[in-house]
Amino acid sequence: GNSVTQMEGPVTLSEEAFLTINCTYTATGYPSLFWYVQYPGEGLQLLLKATKADDKGSNKGFEATYRKETTSFHLEKGSVQVSDSAVYFCALSGSYNQGGKLIFGQGTELSVKP
Amino acid sequence: DTGVSQDPRHKITKRGQNVTFRCDPISEHNRLYWYRQTLGQGPEFLTYFQNEAQLEKSRLLSDRFSAERPKGSFSTLEIQRTEQGDSAMYLCASSTTGTGNYEQYFGPGTRLTVT
Repeated sequence: GNSVTQMEGPVTLSEEAFLTINCTYTATGYPSLFWYVQYPGEGLQLLLKATKADDKGSNKGFEATYRKETTSFHLEKGSVQVSDSAVYFCALSGSYNQGGKLIFGQGTELSVKP
Repeated sequence: DTGVSQDPRHKITKRGQNVTFRCDPISEHNRLYWYRQTLGQGPEFLTYFQNEAQLEKSRLLSDRFSAERPKGSFSTLEIQRTEQGDSAMYLCASSTTGTGNYEQYFGPGTRLTVT
């Protein structure tokens, strides 16, 4: 079945450091890939998405590229801020026939220190 | 633009009691999903509706769980005879099917604590 694996956290960085959170997936067909973010005390928010191979999703300085050959969708940001401290979830959704349900990774907690 | 809303935000109940949660999706969204999230884990799919039809249920959704979406608008998730293992955050999300990329918008969740 479909699955998502994320690097384990917590990840602790200093402000302005470079961020990479690894995400790999297993899926049949051509899934869409997502990164969601959960700030403390808040609900899940869509951060970025990519719907086909080689697409790059980007938002708020974060980027991720859909790599079909390596089944990966790693999240990157060139310079993190304290306000980026949150839990980040990688997710995939299957084809139309699979109902669009999301399969999530276990989440990676990011803590950015000033 | 009103997002997805859920009620209540928190629920504390004693083991064996029944609880019901409500989700109001974004008004033009025809798909509605329920997920469960336990501490330190990602959300897990429970069930989803397209309009009023419940199209899929996860094996996580035991006989004690039932969900409805009458008239294809709001949805309710009921848990009967709650157990301590039911303690979790219950998340609702909605989406359209028009674009085909299934971007889901999540509500704030209902945190259930079973004592």
